[in-house]
Amino acid sequence: DAGVIQSPRHEVTEMGQEVTLRCKPISGHDYLFWYRQTMMRGLELLIYFNNNVPIDDSGMPEDRFSAKMPNASFSTLKIQPSEPRDSAVYFCASSSRTGPNTEAFFGQGTRLTVV
Amino acid sequence: AQKITQTQPGMFVQEKEAVTLDCTYDTSDPSYGLFWYKQPSSGEMIFLIYQGSYDQQNATEGRYSLNFQKARKSANLVISASQLGDSAMYFCAMRAYSGTYKYIFGTGTRLKVLA
Repeated sequence: DAGVIQSPRHEVTEMGQEVTLRCKPISGHDYLFWYRQTMMRGLELLIYFNNNVPIDDSGMPEDRFSAKMPNASFSTLKIQPSEPRDSAVYFCASSSRTGPNTEAFFGQGTRLTVV
Repeated sequence: AQKITQTQPGMFVQEKEAVTLDCTYDTSDPSYGLFWYKQPSSGEMIFLIYQGSYDQQNATEGRYSLNFQKARKSANLVISASQLGDSAMYFCAMRAYSGTYKYIFGTGTRLKVLA
């Protein structure tokens, strides 16, 4: 299996621009998670999906952030407009089952820099 | 509320020695899973080991073992025979059901193995 695939790996954009991060989960996994990692706040859960349906978006920082999962093999995280404080590493992760005994598999992350 | 606490921001260990990374957790759910991840300087999140709340024995995976003390709500990671390649950030995580099946992470411990 190829694992969780994120693109792009690095993104540099100017403040005010729209940014779209992409994620392909492991085939057959029902859960997809978006995390943001910064030095100050560590790993924060932004949103997660179960069977393509958003379940918990309480971590989405503000209306500038949106996430979609149109099908089982693809998800996007969009920031519009982007701000310098959005600079972080964004991780996508997937897991296979409901229940506490399943690990999450992470993608390589997207390092976003907003200048 | 669910919470993971890692109180050691940084640790040093001599090569070939054992080291314990601390993790305490809090949840009211009787069924939960505890996980450890490694994040090397390259940035990816690597799953190391899992412990279920109902498991009678401590989990082991090669040089990694999990010292699970349920009454104390601790799930410490023990790395035996440390290697230079073990230098990384280590995260403790928990998955339980409190309305949602999200993973929550601690703030991490940065381990440096000395030659």
